[in-house]
Amino acid sequence: EAGVVQSPRYKIIEKKQPVAFWCNPISGHNTLYWYLQNLGQGPELLIRYENEEAVDDSQLPKDRFSAERLKGVDSTLKIQPAELGDSAVYLCASSLGSSSGSLGNEQFFGPGTRLTVL
Amino acid sequence: RKEVEQDPGPFNVPEGATVAFNCTYSNSASQSFFWYRQDCRKEPKLLMSVYSSGNEDGRFTAQLNRASQYISLLIRDSKLSDSATYLCVVNTRRGFQKLVFGTGTRLLVSP
Repeated sequence: EAGVVQSPRYKIIEKKQPVAFWCNPISGHNTLYWYLQNLGQGPELLIRYENEEAVDDSQLPKDRFSAERLKGVDSTLKIQPAELGDSAVYLCASSLGSSSGSLGNEQFFGPGTRLTVL
Repeated sequence: RKEVEQDPGPFNVPEGATVAFNCTYSNSASQSFFWYRQDCRKEPKLLMSVYSSGNEDGRFTAQLNRASQYISLLIRDSKLSDSATYLCVVNTRRGFQKLVFGTGTRLLVSP
């Protein structure tokens, strides 16, 4: 079974440029998460989707970050404009969803997109 | 104060050693607890859930002390392949996942 797919795996851009990351969750997983992981830190939640609805975006810096999950499957995370401090790994994760009870709890992570802003 | 605190290490141990990691969390309403493993430049993967009664999976034993808001992971008979970062993770919401990750504890097992 395919895992969570993310692209690109690596991205290098200059500051003030826009950048977008794409995520394809595991088939059938209703819940999708975007995390940011800085070096030496644990992942931090940016946004969580239940199907196509963003139900927790309290940690998303909305002045420059945006996300969408059209049709409740794939998702994109965008930064415009990027700043030097945005350099990090952006992880996407998915889970079956809360309606699946305890079985829906495990989050499966994609390989991440490593962003470098110069 | 961070919601989930861990000693970042690194812990350097020889093969065959027993090593223990500790973690504390600040939200007393936290619902569930996990250890994730993250290899260098890889994604985090669930290692095991942590139950109040304590649980074991092969060489790995996890324990939870709700009164002290403390979680532990014990690894017996360490293998070279155990070298990784171990993330303490707490779910702070009921009914769905709001995972808060610690900074991770790095383990290096040497021959």
